[in-house]
Amino acid sequence: DTAVSQTPKYLVTQMGNDKSIKCEQNLGHDTMYWYKQDSKKFLKIMFSYNNKELIINETVPNRFSPKSPDKAHLNLHINSLELGDSAVYFCASSQGTGPGNTIYFGEGSWLTVV
Amino acid sequence: GQQVMQIPQYQHVQEGEDFTTYCNSSTTLSNIQWYKQRPGGHPVFLIQLVKSGEVKKQKRLTFQFGEAKKNSSLHITATQTTDVGTYFCAGPRDKIIFGKGTRLHILP
Repeated sequence: DTAVSQTPKYLVTQMGNDKSIKCEQNLGHDTMYWYKQDSKKFLKIMFSYNNKELIINETVPNRFSPKSPDKAHLNLHINSLELGDSAVYFCASSQGTGPGNTIYFGEGSWLTVV
Repeated sequence: GQQVMQIPQYQHVQEGEDFTTYCNSSTTLSNIQWYKQRPGGHPVFLIQLVKSGEVKKQKRLTFQFGEAKKNSSLHITATQTTDVGTYFCAGPRDKIIFGKGTRLHILP
């Protein structure tokens, strides 16, 4: 059973389109995240939710909008896609938000904007 | 702001050689975690260090946490091709911040 699953795994789309990536975790964790990994492999946090409440919102363009319908799901919607949005987007979860919580990553969604 | 610096960014080693990556924080960390990401894969948790000066081993991997809890290292003895990947340290303060990773490439 996949602990953190995200779909789609691969996504190729044109500039200006709107797309969504879905994420679900079956670990019973309270906290979920979206990370962006660029071509240089830098892993940057975008958003974090704890029990459906937004707790971390890094300096991300407001074209990116996360939504957490329940604590097991965290979706990412991206409006008006730009070339620079091409990256791997990782969903992740952890039991809580405090220090010492292990982060479990999904397998990633490879987004290519053309 | 909070920063976790990791060096080197890239490392090529001959199979069988040792490898070390270093992680430095601008602030004291409550603990530090290490993750490994295989090529094309996702980051996977390796270990967490909590105590000042702590040393932990996992087979050929040795992890250290500095006395001041501001730096850490991961040492791999006698690298194998299965060690290929990117190694990230992550330093929790009020949130988990990942270093930029060290990409390890093994030459056969």
